[in-house]
Amino acid sequence: DTAVSQTPKYLVTQMGNDKSIKCEQNLGHDTMYWYKQDSKKFLKIMFSYNNKELIINETVPNRFSPKSPDKAHLNLHINSLELGDSAVYFCASSPIEQGNEQYFGPGTRLTVT
Amino acid sequence: ILNVEQSPQSLHVQEGDSTNFTCSFPSSNFYALHWYRWETAKSPEALFVMTLNGDEKKKGRISATLNTKEGYSYLYIKGSQPEDSATYLCAFRNSGNTPLVFGKGTRLSVIA
Repeated sequence: DTAVSQTPKYLVTQMGNDKSIKCEQNLGHDTMYWYKQDSKKFLKIMFSYNNKELIINETVPNRFSPKSPDKAHLNLHINSLELGDSAVYFCASSPIEQGNEQYFGPGTRLTVT
Repeated sequence: ILNVEQSPQSLHVQEGDSTNFTCSFPSSNFYALHWYRWETAKSPEALFVMTLNGDEKKKGRISATLNTKEGYSYLYIKGSQPEDSATYLCAFRNSGNTPLVFGKGTRLSVIA
């Protein structure tokens, strides 16, 4: 059973479109995250959600919005896509305790043309 | 802005060699230090989470140490195998309410 799943795995779309990436975890974790892997292969946090509350929101354009319908899901919505949004986006989840690792999804490769 | 540095950036070793690499992080306000193994075209996989100064953790041939007072952690791989080839990421957290800050990773290639 996949612990953290993302759909779609690949997404190709045109500039200006609105798209969503879904993330689901079946681990019962309290916190979920979205990361962006930039062009230099660097992982950067975008958002984290704890019990349906946004607790961290890095300096990400407001075209990006996380939506959590329930504890097991954290979807990423992107409006008015731009070329620079092309990247691999990773979802992750973790329990809330200090010593627990994060479990990552397989990633979604977004290409904006 | 928190700075997490990893060195070396890349490393090539022969099968059977032992190797190690370094993660440096701010020595003030420590909360946790994570190590991840990231194979190409896969997602990062957790190796260790270290929370106490002096922690030493081991998983098979891989082990890690932590020095929070001086702000560094070492990852050791004993008797490297080709399947150890991956990027090894460390990530630092300075409180329970702040995100993980990742280093840029050390890319390890083990040559058979």
